[in-house]
Amino acid sequence: DSGVTQTPKHLITATGQRVTLRCSPRSGDLSVYWYQQSLDQGLQFLIQYYNGEERAKGNILERFSAQQFPDLHSELNLSSLELGDSALYFCASSVGEGHTQYFGPGTRLTVL
Amino acid sequence: QQPVQSPQAVILREGEDAVINCSSSKALYSVHWYRQKHGEAPVFLMILLKGGEQKGHDKISASFNEKKQQSSLYLTASQLSYSGTYFCGTVNYGGSQGNLIFGKGTKLSVKP
Repeated sequence: DSGVTQTPKHLITATGQRVTLRCSPRSGDLSVYWYQQSLDQGLQFLIQYYNGEERAKGNILERFSAQQFPDLHSELNLSSLELGDSALYFCASSVGEGHTQYFGPGTRLTVL
Repeated sequence: QQPVQSPQAVILREGEDAVINCSSSKALYSVHWYRQKHGEAPVFLMILLKGGEQKGHDKISASFNEKKQQSSLYLTASQLSYSGTYFCGTVNYGGSQGNLIFGKGTKLSVKP
């Protein structure tokens, strides 16, 4: 158990819908990272927050957005969902930038 | 910019050794190694921060050759529990330290 929690564990929804994935970092960690993992794409970095501020952006679609709240938990919002958005979404946290990232158990999103 | 891992897959018998390589076309600041079992979160193995650095944990060790822009993960006397997909994640000089770019992974299967 890494200490990072993610909810929900599984999510099944339809195309065109909007969902929110939630992540609580390890106690004391200020950085939160979001990754998407699909079979053919591997682990793709989406976005990073540090103490509430966006710090780095990867291959995140405009339909996706995220934020980190004052209590340091983070949410990833996915809208206008497409079949291709089906994937495992991982959140990771670290004490600071460049430090070891610890991954949560992931949310498996299925878009039908 | 994505690091290249080799081999893509390897099958071992218990007790055999393996080497997994991770190469980048850009200068590397750090290399992070993770192991992921099917359907689970990636688990941190080790981080290498300096060129020439070598680290070891139990029978798993790694080296970082800054000049060659590559890192290698060494698994000796493999155990069944070593099975999984190994990912290297790299941070490039000049890039955001929060932006960890993962290779496509090396699938390791250890047979009895």
